Amino acid sequence: DPKIIQKPKYLVAVTGSEKILICEQYLGHNAMYWYRQSAKKPLEFMFSYSYQKLMDNQTASSRFQPQSSKKNHLDLQITALKPDDSATYFCASSQDMGGRSAEQFFGPGTRLTVL
Amino acid sequence: GDSVTQTEGQVTVSESKSLIINCTYSATSIGYPNLFWYVRYPGEGLQLLLKVITAGQKGSSRGFEATYNKEATSFHLQKASVQESDSAVYYCALRASNTNKVVFGTGTRLQVLP
Repeated sequence: DPKIIQKPKYLVAVTGSEKILICEQYLGHNAMYWYRQSAKKPLEFMFSYSYQKLMDNQTASSRFQPQSSKKNHLDLQITALKPDDSATYFCASSQDMGGRSAEQFFGPGTRLTVL
Repeated sequence: GDSVTQTEGQVTVSESKSLIINCTYSATSIGYPNLFWYVRYPGEGLQLLLKVITAGQKGSSRGFEATYNKEATSFHLQKASVQESDSAVYYCALRASNTNKVVFGTGTRLQVLP
């Protein structure tokens, strides 16, 4: 059974619209993260959450807003979508932050295409 | 800032031959970073292949090995005899000692020919 679920697997949106990417983890972890991988680029860290609190935000644009309704959920809301937002978005989680327990496990990703 | 460099975008190797995928890193924060190799098999998510958190140590998993060389700032991935099932994209990554942000290389696609 998958331990980190991301929905949907593929998503197509039009410029200017808003979408929510879903992430749920069933590993009992306390920390969750979002990464993005654009074409021909490495995965880039976006956010980290610990116990549903934002710990680090490396995304310049406020159009990207994580939402954590439960400890094992970290959704990503993206508003006013642009073609440059097209990428695969990966959710990850770790037991806690810091030390050996910080090993991160990744979900399968959501591939977003903005037309 | 921290960075990871993988010079080869794609590597093609015949089955049973040896493999090396190069990785060098640059870490600006105090202390030695943790180093990782992740793998993404076709149609699957990113999986941790191996990790080494202590400089000078070697990590191994599924026949793959990587040695944390702090003098050369390298963490090359090696395997003595590859199999077709090893075909995947391999990502070198680091996590600085004072952060939870993982920094990835661009990935190396390995194609193993039968």
